[in-house]
Amino acid sequence: GENVEQHPSTLSVQEGDSAVIKCTYSDSASNYFPWYKQELGKGPQLIIDIRSNVGEKKDQRIAVTLNKTAKHFSLHITETQPEDSAVYFCAASLGLYNNNDMRFGAGTRLTVKP
Amino acid sequence: EPEVTQTPSHQVTQMGQEVILRCVPISNHLYFYWYRQILGQKVEFLVSFYNNEISEKSEIFDDQFSVERPDGSNFTLKIRSTKLEDSAMYFCASRIQGGEQTQYFGPGTRLLVL
Repeated sequence: GENVEQHPSTLSVQEGDSAVIKCTYSDSASNYFPWYKQELGKGPQLIIDIRSNVGEKKDQRIAVTLNKTAKHFSLHITETQPEDSAVYFCAASLGLYNNNDMRFGAGTRLTVKP
Repeated sequence: EPEVTQTPSHQVTQMGQEVILRCVPISNHLYFYWYRQILGQKVEFLVSFYNNEISEKSEIFDDQFSVERPDGSNFTLKIRSTKLEDSAMYFCASRIQGGEQTQYFGPGTRLLVL
């Protein structure tokens, strides 16, 4: 089955710096890659996603890149703010025709220092 | 904005007891999921449910687990005889049918088995 690896497990940056979180996946058939942000005591909240027919997607300070050949995708947060501090999870899915069941990475705890 | 809700937020039970975790998915969604997250570990897929039947289940979802949609709004996860290792956060998620792959997560139920 699909296996998703995520690095780093913890990341600390100064406010205003950029943060990059990387994930790799094993199943080349995966075609949907969401990123979730989980704040303390809450469920994962989708922040951005990318599909396999797209190489890069951007939404304000957040961008995601996908390299299908290498089977890795990355989350980039620019101009980080203290409220970006949370645990971030990447996930991979085989898509609609496989019930869209997602496999998650282990998570990255991002701390943004004021 | 519509959201997935879960009850209870916390549950403490004795080993061997049955527990039922409840979820109310977003009203027009048709695919439902349960995930669990053991403390400090990744979010793991348990089961997906569509059209009143299980679509897919992981190896974690053994005979002790069952899911049900007893009415038009609730989606439940039952653990028949809880074990210590069932202690975790349990998240429900839902998505709309069709081309939208995004899954929306509830806030989770923290289950502690003593």
